[in-house]
Parts: sequence; structure tokens; C-alpha cells
Amino acid sequence: KAGVTQTPRYLIKTRGQQVTLSCSPISGHRSVSWYQQTPGQGLQFLFEYFSETQRNKGNFPGRFSGRQFSNSRSEMNVSTLELGDSALYLCASSLDRATDTQYFGPGTRLTVL
Amino acid sequence: GESVGLHLPTLSVQEGDNSIINCAYSNSASDYFIWYKQESGKGPQFIIDIRSNMDKRQGQRVTVLLNKTVKHLSLQIAATQPGDSAVYFCAALHPGTYKYIFGTGTRLKVLA
Repeated sequence: KAGVTQTPRYLIKTRGQQVTLSCSPISGHRSVSWYQQTPGQGLQFLFEYFSETQRNKGNFPGRFSGRQFSNSRSEMNVSTLELGDSALYLCASSLDRATDTQYFGPGTRLTVL
Repeated sequence: GESVGLHLPTLSVQEGDNSIINCAYSNSASDYFIWYKQESGKGPQFIIDIRSNMDKRQGQRVTVLLNKTVKHLSLQIAATQPGDSAVYFCAALHPGTYKYIFGTGTRLKVLA
């Protein structure tokens, strides 16, 4: 069974631009969560989607948004990029519930210049 | 606010020795915990989990111990191997909100 895939793996953007990241969960998994990972803050929860609905949300500004499609694939968007948005963005999928084991993808490394 | 912290940012051990990585959490109501391993350039990999109704759980070469009294859990790796070199971090599930709170990680270095 294929694991969680994320595209692109690397991105370089400039301040003010926007970016869209994509995540394909493990086949059969319906929950997709997004995290931001930085050296100083560790993994910070962004949001979780289940059956095309945002089921949970972290403490990030509205510039961070996401969506989920009927095939469980998910995208997250960051608008008006700031230097502090430079991070590794990780996607994790699980079967149904938040307490199901989360399987992570390799991440998208975003650099904002 | 909620926090999960690891005691050491870096841990160096000799190949073949046992490793112990510690983690403290702040919310006494947390009832589910996971240890992850993250190798360079990869996403976190699930190692082992434990629920609050247990004190100990064993996997292949790994053991997680949970001390709810002092809100502390540890990951023990037996006979540490070079392939164990990675960053390890724990996650605590916040009850009610169902959000995971992650620690910042301990880098394990295995010395030959």
C-alpha cells in the first residue's frame, strides 16, 4: 500500500506570494491533518479534514486554509506569505478518528525569501 | 497553554547500549501518547503508542513507560543500532479537542 505523498517536496517563494501544497493520503484513509514543523516550535497542528469538512483547527491565522476533495486528497493554501512561514509542512493521514494512528508524508519544505 | 517537552535536545549513545529518551507533558487529562521517529529528509514515523490506562507497553526493541503521577513518559530503545539515529519526539492527545501536542524532539546519535 502506498504511503502518504506530498507535492511538491520543495518550494521557494517570496514574501506576499501565495502557495498551494498537496497531500494524497493512504488509500482508504479519510482523515487528513496538516502540521507546520520548525526548529524552534516543533510540530504545530494546522487543521484536520474528514469527509471534505474541516473537523479541527489549530491556532494559525486565516492566511492558512485548506480543503479536502471527495477522494480524500487535501490541499493547503497559504496566502500573503511571510518570512516566518518558512517551514516543513507535513501531512498525516489516518483511517477515521483523531486517535487512529497518524501516518506522515515526507513533507514540503517551503522557503520564503 | 498545553505543552509537551523533551528533557534533552541531543543524546549520544554507544552502539549496542540502551537508549532512554524522556518526555514531559502538562495536561494531566491527556490519555493517549505516541512516540515518533524522524530521519533526515523524511516525515515522522510511528514507533509505539500507549494509552493512559497502561503503565508500560513493549514493541520490537522499544518500550514506552508512562508515569501519570508526574506526567512523564519515556522511550527505551534496546541494543541501539546506527539505524536508530534520528530525532525522536512524543505527542500527547489533548482530550476533548482531539489535537496532538508534540514535543520538539531529541536527536539520538549512535556512536560506533
